[in-house]
Amino acid sequence: DAGVTQSPTHLIKTRGQQVTLRCSPKSGHDTVSWYQQALGQGPQFIFQYYEEEERQRGNFPDRFSGHQFPNYSSELNVNALLLGDSALYLCASSPDRGSSGNTIYFGEGSWLTVV
Amino acid sequence: GDSVTQMEGPVTLSEEAFLTINCTYTATGYPSLFWYVQYPGEGLQLLLKATKADDKGSNKGFEATYRKETTSFHLEKGSVQVSDSAVYFCALTRSGGSYIPTFGRGTSLIVHP
Repeated sequence: DAGVTQSPTHLIKTRGQQVTLRCSPKSGHDTVSWYQQALGQGPQFIFQYYEEEERQRGNFPDRFSGHQFPNYSSELNVNALLLGDSALYLCASSPDRGSSGNTIYFGEGSWLTVV
Repeated sequence: GDSVTQMEGPVTLSEEAFLTINCTYTATGYPSLFWYVQYPGEGLQLLLKATKADDKGSNKGFEATYRKETTSFHLEKGSVQVSDSAVYFCALTRSGGSYIPTFGRGTSLIVHP
């Protein structure tokens, strides 16, 4: 059973560019969330997708947008990249957004460096 | 709002030493509590969880007990190994809320042979 898979694993972008990160959830999971983890910090919630809609959003600007496809996979897009966007971007999936005890499974992450 | 506070690291121990990483939380209602581990260069893996007061989560020799009276969920292990070197994150999800986990800042553990 494949877990959460993310691509690419590493990438380098220039300030002002745009980036797209991809995520496939664990089999049987329909809810996908994205997190930003800066160096030395805990993950910060960006947004969550369920049934192809953004259901919850954290404190991130509109430059951060996403999409969920009918097969539950998801993309994170960041426009007008800033140096401060350099971080590990984690995708997480869960089977049901409606249970606080559900285990959330994380991917290995995509390391984004903005130069 | 919800918050999780972890002891600052790094925690440096010799192999076979006893480990405690403190975690306290602030949340309304009855949250579920989690410990995640992040090995170098990897994503987060669930280590253990507890969903109600007095529950004890355990896995791979690690344990944590959900203490509502002290709002704590301290992580313990009786004898650490070099392979336990990683960053440990305490997290909560609040019942009746959005079920988005709130993470602590993480505590780095370094175990020397």
